[in-house]
Amino acid sequence: AQRVTQPEKLLSVFKGAPVELKCNYSYSGSPELFWYVQYSRQRLQLLLRHISRESIKGFTADLNKGETSFHLKKPFAQEEDSAMYYCALKTQGGSEKLVFGKGTKLTVNP
Amino acid sequence: DGGITQSPKYLFRKEGQNVTLSCEQNLNHDAMYWYRQDPGQGLRLIYYSQIVNDFQKGDIAEGYSVSREKKESFPLTVTSAQKNPTAFYLCASSFERNTGELFFGEGSRLTVL
Repeated sequence: AQRVTQPEKLLSVFKGAPVELKCNYSYSGSPELFWYVQYSRQRLQLLLRHISRESIKGFTADLNKGETSFHLKKPFAQEEDSAMYYCALKTQGGSEKLVFGKGTKLTVNP
Repeated sequence: DGGITQSPKYLFRKEGQNVTLSCEQNLNHDAMYWYRQDPGQGLRLIYYSQIVNDFQKGDIAEGYSVSREKKESFPLTVTSAQKNPTAFYLCASSFERNTGELFFGEGSRLTVL
């Protein structure tokens, strides 16, 4: 069965420090992975996807199939990065759907 | 103004009552989804629909029902059979079948008294 694990419920860093939000997945097929973000009082929105290999708001994420991971990284955290972050896996085949992890709440302190 | 509109934002229900949450989108998206968001549980898929007049159960469909009679609308009914209905419900849509890019509504918070 497909599963997405985000081991940290809460993560707190200081402004300017590097940040890494961990995501591990379990899936027998070819994975497509995404990071979604929910800022305070805003809608949940797509942050980035692994197939586009782009950097959004300074964040990057690399799919590591060997370690079945898709960690989200930013070299210098900003206060406005404080939000709830969800890793998501798109399943394939007949019942395609998006499976989310439980989320990590990131707090960037001044 | 394009987007997804969920209503009501807040809803109270007595035990034993059914309640219907509305989700409307004017993005011309084919696929629509209902998720339940609980603290510490992340988002769990209730139902999804990839085309009009068709829908599939998600991971936690028991106690819920949906319909997809129009492309723009995907209402969710929380029935009295749902054991723990108090939650935050999120509706989403995507342009094509399962692109992985979902557009979310603002959510509806249901409280059972």
